[in-house]
Amino acid sequence: NAGVTQTPKFQVLKTGQSMTLQCAQDMNHEYMSWYRQDPGMGLRLIHYSVGAGITDQGEVPNGYNVSRSTTEDFPLRLLSAAPSQTSVYFCASSPRVGYEQYFGPGTRLTVT
Amino acid sequence: AQKVTQAQTEISVVEKEDVTLDCVYETRDTTYYLFWYKQPPSGELVFLIRRNSFDEQNEISGRYSWNFQKSTSSFNFTITASQVVDSAVYFCALSEDFGNEKLTFGTGTRLTIIP
Repeated sequence: NAGVTQTPKFQVLKTGQSMTLQCAQDMNHEYMSWYRQDPGMGLRLIHYSVGAGITDQGEVPNGYNVSRSTTEDFPLRLLSAAPSQTSVYFCASSPRVGYEQYFGPGTRLTVT
Repeated sequence: AQKVTQAQTEISVVEKEDVTLDCVYETRDTTYYLFWYKQPPSGELVFLIRRNSFDEQNEISGRYSWNFQKSTSSFNFTITASQVVDSAVYFCALSEDFGNEKLTFGTGTRLTIIP
């Protein structure tokens, strides 16, 4: 049981490049979400999903896309990277709303 | 809209002292859930406690205790006899119930335990 896994751990992009951050969980959790963590701002919700085929926007969705084709996977796509997207990204899963969220180890992204 | 405020940005205490981390929340729901997470220097997020809005009993787990007071919308966290391993950033978070599947975090409190 690996829990929540994220790849890559580190990534450097140039402005305008696109990429996908991968997130997978093996706990059969319905609820998955993506957060970004910036100094002094805590964690902010980017997008979330309450089940396969269902996604919705969080607090800071601009510049990011998500899809949820399976229960296990919830990739986050950066369409055209900008320096403002330099951050640490965390993926999380939970069996349902109101329960604890299990977090992945994070991806540190730098956009130059 | 839901909101979580952690007014203490940084706290430093000498080892073995007790320390309380404050958390104040705002919500219009009558059913909601409160959480504390720990983020040690290694960067991972570690779940500490979950409390629902109908359970106002305080909880103690070893050196950790939590004081939930609906009257003041607070969910404070106390570490007794602090240790160097308690040095971390601590986040308080809030999740509302029906119709709002979002976890809102406070900005965190960086706790440094001085040996």
